[in-house]
Amino acid sequence: EVQLLESGGGLVQPGGSLRLSCAASGFTFSSYAMSWVRQAPGKGLEWVSTISASNGANTYYADSVKGRFTISRDNSKNTLFLQMNSLRGEDTAVYYCAKDRRYSTSSGNFDYWGQGTLVTVSS
Amino acid sequence: EIVLTQSPATLSLSPGERATLSCRASQSVSSYLAWYQHKPGQAPRLLIYDASSRATGIPARFSGSGSGTDFTLTISSLEPEDFAVYYCQQRSNWPPGSFGQGTKLEIK
Repeated sequence: EVQLLESGGGLVQPGGSLRLSCAASGFTFSSYAMSWVRQAPGKGLEWVSTISASNGANTYYADSVKGRFTISRDNSKNTLFLQMNSLRGEDTAVYYCAKDRRYSTSSGNFDYWGQGTLVTVSS
Repeated sequence: EIVLTQSPATLSLSPGERATLSCRASQSVSSYLAWYQHKPGQAPRLLIYDASSRATGIPARFSGSGSGTDFTLTISSLEPEDFAVYYCQQRSNWPPGSFGQGTKLEIK
């Protein structure tokens, strides 16, 4: 059974940093691109970032987080990360970790998601 | 940027009825359109990808159609567990993709 478990969310002041983790199990983690998608309170889903399968050589970011967030992966620990710096109020959201539907190459569709972790940016 | 517009914003129906949800793209996305179901406090669930392909384990009452700019998600006979928010997502210019703003399917 595929499982994705996010952690690391919490309350942080504007300008602060936070690192999210996503522990994956039930599939060959290294063989799939992985992504972060967020949902601000009362809003819809917003794609944040994607990292390619295998060595994660390719990373992609939404314009809203480019230069502030960094996605990475540790295949030896089956874990996905999102380092968030220079946080703003508009980054307040539930952050979901999501597995790509397609083996090896990123399709942009997500067939398994975690339950999410809440990030609140406020003074 | 490709904008997806979903309609209606809210759909009120009873169990057993047929639900038809619409998603319109601001420019052609070919068949690169997916549908997700999202319930409060739960993980989103992929229902349909590439406009009409059902994801693994999705019941046959869910079907998708369309191409280009106009797409439809149909639930043939609503079950109590189908009441949720539904999002469409395009991957035509992946990355980035984009999501619609959602349609809330509520019990009448």
